[in-house]
Amino acid sequence: GAGVSQSPSNKVTEKGKDVELRCDPISGHTALYWYRQRLGQGLEFLIYFQGNSAPDKSGLPSDRFSAERTGESVSTLTIQRTQQEDSAVYLCASSLERTDIQYFGAGTRLSVL
Amino acid sequence: AQSVTQLGSHVSVSEGALVLLRCNYSSSVPPYLFWYVQYPNQGLQLLLKYTTGATLVKGINGFEAEFKKSETSFHLTKPSAHMSDAAEYFCAVSGGSSNTGKLIFGQGTTLQVKP
Repeated sequence: GAGVSQSPSNKVTEKGKDVELRCDPISGHTALYWYRQRLGQGLEFLIYFQGNSAPDKSGLPSDRFSAERTGESVSTLTIQRTQQEDSAVYLCASSLERTDIQYFGAGTRLSVL
Repeated sequence: AQSVTQLGSHVSVSEGALVLLRCNYSSSVPPYLFWYVQYPNQGLQLLLKYTTGATLVKGINGFEAEFKKSETSFHLTKPSAHMSDAAEYFCAVSGGSSNTGKLIFGQGTTLQVKP
């Protein structure tokens, strides 16, 4: 596709379950970012991937959060033992290079019951 | 460290009136500054960005913003509001060429346009 694709668009889970969120960046984009948007708040940076370099994980809120990216393609954000405070919209963005414009996906709305 | 403050979580204007959304930032390095718009149930769309050079930046949909280093501001304006401008607007900063490119966002401003 032409844009950043995220799946699922909505996810409802029970507290304590693990969830996986997927991001398909724009083809050829070397940089990929994950952000979290809690209700009524701005976006918080979570993690950044650039090619084969070590990811910048400085924004991950706890060790329950992890993410992977295979080369310059798909990324998966995993949240283990979900808590109610994890409820948010998780947005993925990609850019050609780290300083270029970031293009955002529509996000995954996660609800933890 | 970088941060962004958007003054006013909600702004209401009449159709045809001036739109002014305020953004102040702090950055220890020359910043790159951005305004994004988010329509309901959609991802963020870039309105405009400042990196270097001309301090008055023109974006899409008639929006523009001016980088004022002395005031650490990057306010967003549009001369005449349209109903279709109703959305949430986010100001963001990154650390320019020295940074990973990660964006630090403000809390957002919801723009309401009244007929």
